[in-house]
This record gives sequence, structure tokens and C-alpha cells, in this order.
Amino acid sequence: QSALTQPPSASGSPGQSVTISCTGTSSDVGGYNYVSWYQQHPGKAPKLMIYEVSKRPSGVPDRFSGSKSGNTASLTVSGLQAEDEADYYCSSYAGSNNLEVFGTGTKVTVL
Amino acid sequence: QVQLQESGPGLVKPSQTLSLTCTVSGGSISSGSYYWSWIRQPAGKGLEWIGRIYTSGSTNYNPSLKSRVTISVDTSKNQFSLKLSSVTAADTAVYYCAGGVVVAELDYWGQGTLVTVSS
Repeated sequence: QSALTQPPSASGSPGQSVTISCTGTSSDVGGYNYVSWYQQHPGKAPKLMIYEVSKRPSGVPDRFSGSKSGNTASLTVSGLQAEDEADYYCSSYAGSNNLEVFGTGTKVTVL
Repeated sequence: QVQLQESGPGLVKPSQTLSLTCTVSGGSISSGSYYWSWIRQPAGKGLEWIGRIYTSGSTNYNPSLKSRVTISVDTSKNQFSLKLSSVTAADTAVYYCAGGVVVAELDYWGQGTLVTVSS
């Protein structure tokens, strides 16, 4: 069970959009529509931002959107705001033995 | 609103067993279809899924930790627990407890607790 692959960093200016990829295999990301994204600010617990590939929990701004194609899932943050600067982690259900796996994490910087 | 709080020793000696408890408030740990998980994060590194327990008592563990991990639930105290045996410095991390209904969808998180493995 290997960690999902994310780019170490991404950045954008306020108001711009940034997209983060999350690459797995057909045994996890590609095999199930159970991909989630979490936002983590320094010293804080992760917060669920996207679940089941593209659904937003109540209270999460619609600037956050998710998608998936094949073995790669993506998180897009539109209209970047200063408070969006954080680490972002994807996670996926990995059906074999009912496991879960997290991504390597991406640090998003708002320039 | 469901809230989670981790508790346990912040310092564990090498080769000993790390034991943490997560107390659930604002709802019953055994209600509905909830499952309860442990995740850890070494300083400056990413999240690692440790395992989960369902209210039925069924468990799933990360294969890389399976031989050393036990997750259990105490419904009378509205708590679930983590035991990690034979710890080394590599097990030093912030440990989070979390919960959800749908797999890989953790809606509720504790604030995290730092556990250091050192003699």
C-alpha cells in the first residue's frame, strides 16, 4: 500500500485558480469513487473539504471542487484567498482488505 | 456536533507500548454506521492511516503496522483506543483520532496529540 502521489507544492495569486493532482492506481483512486481531500493549516487537524471525488460538506465554499480521471484525482481551488494557504492531502479507499491511503501532501502558497 | 479528544502519555520509551484513547462527545460512539480511525503525522511529514474500527468491533489495519497495532472500542465510556507495540523513534508523531460514516471520508477529527518515543 503506497502513498498516493501529489506535487510537493503549488501556488497562485489571490483570485487565481490552482489545481492539485493526486495519482494512485486502479486499486485505489482508479477503482473507487471514494476520494477525499483535506485541508490542514499549521498546527491544526485536517479538515474534510471534498468527499466522494466531488462532493462538498456543508460549509465548504464552492470555490473548492474535485474531479477524477482514471487513476488521478484533482482538487481545484478557484478565486484563491489568503486563508486557502495550507497543506492539502488526498485520500482514497483501497478496497483490498478495506484499507485507506493518504497522498503525500501539497503545500499551497498564495502569492 | 460530534467532538473527539485524544489522551495518553506524551513520552514512551523505545520497545514499550504506545497507548492512546479517544473520547467521543456530542453523540454515541455506537450509533449509526460510524467507524473510528487513527491517523498519525511525523513532524514535517504527511498523514499516515493507521487503522479503523467499526461499531461492530470489526477492524482494519495498515499492513505496514498490522503486526504491532490494536484498535479497540469501549462503548460504555464512549471511547476507542490505540495500542502500538514495540515502538521506536520512527513512531514519534502527532496522533489523531477521527471518525466518519463512509470509508475514506473522515468528518470528525481530534486536535491531535504528540507522542515522542525516547529513552
